[in-house]
Order: sequence, then structure tokens, then C-alpha cells
Amino acid sequence: GENVEQHPSTLSVQEGDSAVIKCTYSDSASNYFPWYKQELGKGPQLIIDIRSNVGEKKDQRIAVTLNKTAKHFSLHITETQPEDSAVYFCAAILTGANSKLTFGKGITLSVRP
Amino acid sequence: SAVISQKPSRDICQRGTSLTIQCQVDSQVTMMFWYRQQPGQSLTLIATANQGSEATYESGFVIDKFPISRPNLTFSTLTVSNMSPEDSSIYLCSVGRTQYNEQFFGPGTRLTVL
Repeated sequence: GENVEQHPSTLSVQEGDSAVIKCTYSDSASNYFPWYKQELGKGPQLIIDIRSNVGEKKDQRIAVTLNKTAKHFSLHITETQPEDSAVYFCAAILTGANSKLTFGKGITLSVRP
Repeated sequence: SAVISQKPSRDICQRGTSLTIQCQVDSQVTMMFWYRQQPGQSLTLIATANQGSEATYESGFVIDKFPISRPNLTFSTLTVSNMSPEDSSIYLCSVGRTQYNEQFFGPGTRLTVL
């Protein structure tokens, strides 16, 4: 089955700097890669996703890149703000009936004011 | 995306008792899932709630411990039975659209078992 790894487990950046969070996956057939943000006391929120037919996707200050050859995908946050502080989970799946998301362990991002 | 609510938002229960968690969605969805998130950990899928049929459980989770109902396309319940302190976790409902497998999560139910 799919295995998703996320490193490092924590990341601290200065407000205004960029943050990059990287995930690797094991199943080359996986074709959908979402990113979730979980703030303290809340459920995970889908913030951006990418499909395997696209190399990059951007939404305001966040972007996701996918390298299918190397089997890794990354979340890029520019101009970080204190409200970006949260736990970020990546996931991977081969879409279709009965398929299930495989999540990484999560990374805690701290943005220092 | 869908608006998902869960009840209760949190509870403190005594060991040996059972708690039923409700998940309500504001629109009909094909897929509904139940996850467990232990403190500081990632998300673990408990089961897929199937409308009109028995839930599909993941390895390590059984129906006797986590019975699930899904009477229609907007509602599901998860019961945590005969609770022990090890069941203390956040329980999350999520919904998905089969074609794209985007999943959206509810706010979670924070369960503490004493």
C-alpha cells in the first residue's frame, strides 16, 4: 500500500519568510495529493491539492509542486503570517471507488512574529 | 466544499460506557468516513460509512467496538463502545465526492475517557 512520509516534524520561520514542507510517497500510481491545515482544536481543512497531470498549482500565498519522477510533492507558503501557524498534513491517493487517503504524520509550522 | 457538523464537540466519559457521535452534512454526499486522531498524531481511518449497508472497517477496527450507521446521504453516527482510557482521541467525520476523492473534515469530537 501507499506510504507517505513528511519531514521534518517541526518547522519554525520568521514572519514574512517562506516555508516549504516536503512529502514523499511510495506508490507511483497515486494521482491525487491534497494538503490539509489543522489549527488547534479544529478539524483538518483542505487548503490546496494537486493531481498527477499537473506539475504546479498556486492559490494566493500557497502553492504545491509535484515531482512524479522523484515521487515527492511540496507545499510552499510565501510571506508567512502568524495565522499560518498550524499542523500541516499531506496525503496521497489513487482515486477511484474504495480508495483511501494515506496521510503523512504532519508537520508543525510555527511562524515567529 | 460541504458544511459538516459533529455532535458532541467534546465529552468526558467513564470507562465501560458508550458514546455515539453524530455527523451531519448540509448536502448529499456519496462517501462518508470516520477517522481517529490520537493526541499529537496523524489521522487513522476507522471505517467507510456506506449508505444502506454495513460499514467497511479498516484493519484493527471492528464493528462491535465501533458500530456505524448511515441511514441517508447526509447523516452518519459512530459509537465508541465499552470505552477505555485508550479510546481518548479526537474522532473526525469526513465526506467525499467519489469522482475526485476530495475529502472535507468536520470539526471533530474530542473524547476523554476516565
